Formats: sequence, C-alpha cells, structure tokens
Amino acid sequence: GAGVSQSPSNKVTEKGKDVELRCDPISGHTALYWYRQSLGQGLEFLIYFQGNSAPDKSGLPSDRFSAERTGGSVSTLTIQRTQQEDSAVYLCASGVVFLNTQYFGPGTRLTVL
Amino acid sequence: QKEVEQDPGPLSVPEGAIVSLNCTYSNSAFQYFMWYRQYSRKGPELLMYTYSSGNKEDGRFTAQVDKSSKYISLFIRDSQPSDSATYLCAMSDNNNDMRFGAGTRLTVKP
Repeated sequence: GAGVSQSPSNKVTEKGKDVELRCDPISGHTALYWYRQSLGQGLEFLIYFQGNSAPDKSGLPSDRFSAERTGGSVSTLTIQRTQQEDSAVYLCASGVVFLNTQYFGPGTRLTVL
Repeated sequence: QKEVEQDPGPLSVPEGAIVSLNCTYSNSAFQYFMWYRQYSRKGPELLMYTYSSGNKEDGRFTAQVDKSSKYISLFIRDSQPSDSATYLCAMSDNNNDMRFGAGTRLTVKP
C-alpha cells in the first residue's frame, strides 16, 4: 500500500520568503507528526496532530512556523520569513496511536539561501 | 542531560561482523521502544518494535530492552554492506510522546 508522501522533495528559497511543505499520511492513520532533521542531528519534534484534538505545538521553534491538517488527512507546514537556520530536512510521519509507532515520509530538503 | 542518549559514531565494521548499537534513557515512563533505519537522503523506516523489557528477534536483527538499566540495544548479525545506514533509537510513553536518539551512523565494509 501507499506510504507517507511529502512534497516537494527539495525546496530552495531565498531568505525572507514563505514556504509550504505538504504531507499526505497513510490512509486511516489518525496521528500525524512533523519533525526537523538538521545535518548530522537527530529528529527535532515540531508538531503533532491526533484526530480532531487540538494539536501539540510545543516543538515549534518560533511563531514563524505553523501547521494545519485539513479533514484529518493532508497536512501543510508553513514557514514564514524563512531564515538560513531553517535549512534542514523536514520529515512527516503518520501512525496509529495505540500502536505507538510512526511511519515516515521521505522528507522535504529545504535550503534557505 | 538529554532524555535519550545515543553515540553518533561513526561506526565502521567489516562485512560479517556482529554490530551492537545502544541507547540509554532517563525517563522511566517509556514503555515502547523502537529502532529505525535511515538510508542517506531517505526518511527513517521502522526496523524493530518492542514493548517493555525483553528481547525480540527478526532475522539478523535482535532488539533488547533492559528497563531496570534504562538501556536498549540493537544487534545485527552477519552484517552486510546493505546495512550501512544511520540507526535511530526511539521510545515513547503511554501518551505517545516519542523521543528519538541522535542516530548512529554505521558503515559495513565489504
């Protein structure tokens, strides 16, 4: 079956521009996560959606970062006024909560010039 | 101190060697323990999943969890060049609050 998909796979933008990153989770997965992975670093949690509950935004590094999940499926991570330190791979994962596992997409590699 | 500690390596072994990867953690609430494998420029893929203490074997891979020591391990037997990747440990509590290790970069040389 189809796994988690993310688009675009690569994004190069100029400092100060806004970017939108998209995640299509596995069908039926109620949990959706966004992480950031910098070169040689572990996964930094950003935000977690579970069903219709209010998202856990505790990992968002600044108010320039926001995310939405429409209809309990597709999610969009938006970064406003991008900075060079935002350059990283942004990974999305979906899962079934009671199994406590997550399945990752291939990531979007963001480069801010 | 980080909640999850994992030696980033890099670790280089010859083909056929037994590989041991480890993580320690501080949060006793963690109940679910996972190992992910991440190839270069790919997303992490779930490799092993264990609930609570004990061992789990899947082919050449064995996961061990020792909750009393807050220590988990992944063993790879008869390692192959295709095992070359970064291995991340992950763990979560009953609230699905998951924490990841920094990942250990493994190279298996033919």
